[in-house]
Amino acid sequence: AQSVAQPEDQVNVAEGNPLTVKCTYSVSGNPYLFWYVQYPNRGLQFLLKYITGDNLVKGSYGFEAEFNKSQTSFHLKKPSALVSDSALYFCAAQTGANNLFFGTGTRLTVIP
Amino acid sequence: NAGVTQTPKFQVLKTGQSMTLQCAQDMNHEYMSWYRQDPGMGLRLIHYSVGAGITDQGEVPNGYNVSRSTTEDFPLRLLSAAPSQTSVYFCASSYSGTNNEQFFGPGTRLTVL
Repeated sequence: AQSVAQPEDQVNVAEGNPLTVKCTYSVSGNPYLFWYVQYPNRGLQFLLKYITGDNLVKGSYGFEAEFNKSQTSFHLKKPSALVSDSALYFCAAQTGANNLFFGTGTRLTVIP
Repeated sequence: NAGVTQTPKFQVLKTGQSMTLQCAQDMNHEYMSWYRQDPGMGLRLIHYSVGAGITDQGEVPNGYNVSRSTTEDFPLRLLSAAPSQTSVYFCASSYSGTNNEQFFGPGTRLTVL
């Protein structure tokens, strides 16, 4: 079965420290990969995507993600975390209009 | 530019009742979709549309109907509500069905008693 895994339900990091939110995927073909963020009582907001090309993708709010084809991973990173980055983060992989798979989400808490 | 709007924000139904969740977008997007979000399960695709007059099923379509008579609107109908349909429902739109980021509405929290 095709799926996206976010192995950590919760990630805690101190403000100013680098953060990583992990994502691995198991889908057929060469998927498009996305990261979304969800703040309380809001819909998901797009952060960044990987389609092709450079393995390091830069996105909104200083976030970036590293695509690793051999490890089928697409980890989200930020060099210096802010308290305002605290939210729920979703990884997604897409291979077609009806083949978009979301991970279960990782709650990031940045501690002041 | 309102983006993607959804109504209502909250709804409580009794088992067996029917209702329609409304979704509209003003970005002239061809692709629209409905998801449900349940704790520990991420988002699951219910139905999607690649343009006016065209709809198709996603991962969890049972108990739901959709139609797309205009580019702007994509309502989701619950035919006979069941407690298992208690969830948060999100509508989303994008320029096309693949490799484009989706824009999400604020969600509808539905409780079925």
